[in-house]
Amino acid sequence: DQQVKQNSPSLSVQEGRISILNCDYTNSMFDYFLWYKKYPAEGPTFLISISSIKDKNEDGRFTVFLNKSAKHLSLHIVPSQPGDSAVYFCAAKAGKLIFGQGTTLQVKP
Amino acid sequence: GAVVSQHPSRVICKSGTSVKIECRSLDFQATTMFWYRQFPKQSLMLMATSNEGSKATYEQGVEKDKFLINHASLTLSTLTVTSAHPEDSSFYICSARILGQGLGYTFGSGTRLTVV
Repeated sequence: DQQVKQNSPSLSVQEGRISILNCDYTNSMFDYFLWYKKYPAEGPTFLISISSIKDKNEDGRFTVFLNKSAKHLSLHIVPSQPGDSAVYFCAAKAGKLIFGQGTTLQVKP
Repeated sequence: GAVVSQHPSRVICKSGTSVKIECRSLDFQATTMFWYRQFPKQSLMLMATSNEGSKATYEQGVEKDKFLINHASLTLSTLTVTSAHPEDSSFYICSARILGQGLGYTFGSGTRLTVV
């Protein structure tokens, strides 16, 4: 039973444009949601998080939106840069972290 | 920032042998350590949660006799894959929760295990 789902395995955008990564969840008990960036053969690095009582959190080029009624969150990266190319995981916290399957983002110069 | 040092980064072992993976928290105390496994193009799947000085809690479907976890101190946790088989080949990652920091999950750099 996949409690956290990232339905798009990959996304390709042009440098300077917006990247939108999506994530859906099923468990209403999650109290925090987090986004991680991961390169092959490395551990995930934390990007941004949002509390379940918020609907938006912004940090520089990264903004996370949470729609609790739809059980959906998204990560917006604007403007996208080639260095943003990586696998992005959303994770939901209910004591422990549950990860989605990841979305591979490719930002083309 | 908080760093978790994970070793080895990659290991190749023969089928039937055991492999130990270490995770050390540098400059902080990790009261809780999480162990994940990631198969190619798949999610990080939580295998077990260990608290210092107590037995690990394993997720459903994870064999505790095969994946031995020891968290003997606040700075060291180990995962031993016993009697490894080719299907155990995967990427193993540890994550430490930092005491007093609710969202303070710091990940190790991972270990690529290949069983031949």
